[in-house]
Amino acid sequence: GDSVTQMEGPVTLSEEAFLTINCTYTATGYPSLFWYVQYPGEGLQLLLKATKADDKGSNKGFEATYRKETTSFHLEKGSVQVSDSAVYFCALSSGGNKLTFGGGTRVLVKP
Amino acid sequence: EAQVTQNPRYLITVTGKKLTVTCSQNMNHEYMSWYRQDPGLGLRQIYYSMNVEVTDKGDVPEGYKVSRKEKRNFPLILESPSPNQTSLYFCASSTTGTYYEQYFGPGTRLTVT
Repeated sequence: GDSVTQMEGPVTLSEEAFLTINCTYTATGYPSLFWYVQYPGEGLQLLLKATKADDKGSNKGFEATYRKETTSFHLEKGSVQVSDSAVYFCALSSGGNKLTFGGGTRVLVKP
Repeated sequence: EAQVTQNPRYLITVTGKKLTVTCSQNMNHEYMSWYRQDPGLGLRQIYYSMNVEVTDKGDVPEGYKVSRKEKRNFPLILESPSPNQTSLYFCASSTTGTYYEQYFGPGTRLTVT
């Protein structure tokens, strides 16, 4: 079945540092890929998406590129802020209405 | 304001005492879903509903029931809660056309002793 593997956290960074969160997946066919973000005390929000190979999703300074050859969808941001402290989830959908989530990566940005 | 609401936000209960967690959305979404979130396991889908009176099992449905009598509401029922159902629960909704862009409620933290 489908699965998503993310790097374990927590990831602790200083403000303005570069952030990378690794995500790899196993799926049948050609899934769509997503990053969701969960701020403290809130539900998840869709951050960005990519629906086919080589697509780059971007939002709020975050980017991720759909790499079919390495089955990866790593999340990056060039200069993080304290407000980026959150839990980030990589997810995929192989079709239908089902989303498969990774375990989540907690990011803590210190001033 | 478009939103998904859940009640209660926090609940401590004892083994075997039936409980219901309510979920309501005001966006006229067809699709609704329940997830549980456990450390290191991400979110796992419990049940989902494609529309009124249409529900189906997700990955971890054991010990849970749902109903969809109205489009806006999708309650989660635990008939006989057990300690292994202690978790953080999220309700989500979306249109069937953009199912991946799910709108999540704020979560319900359930503790079963």
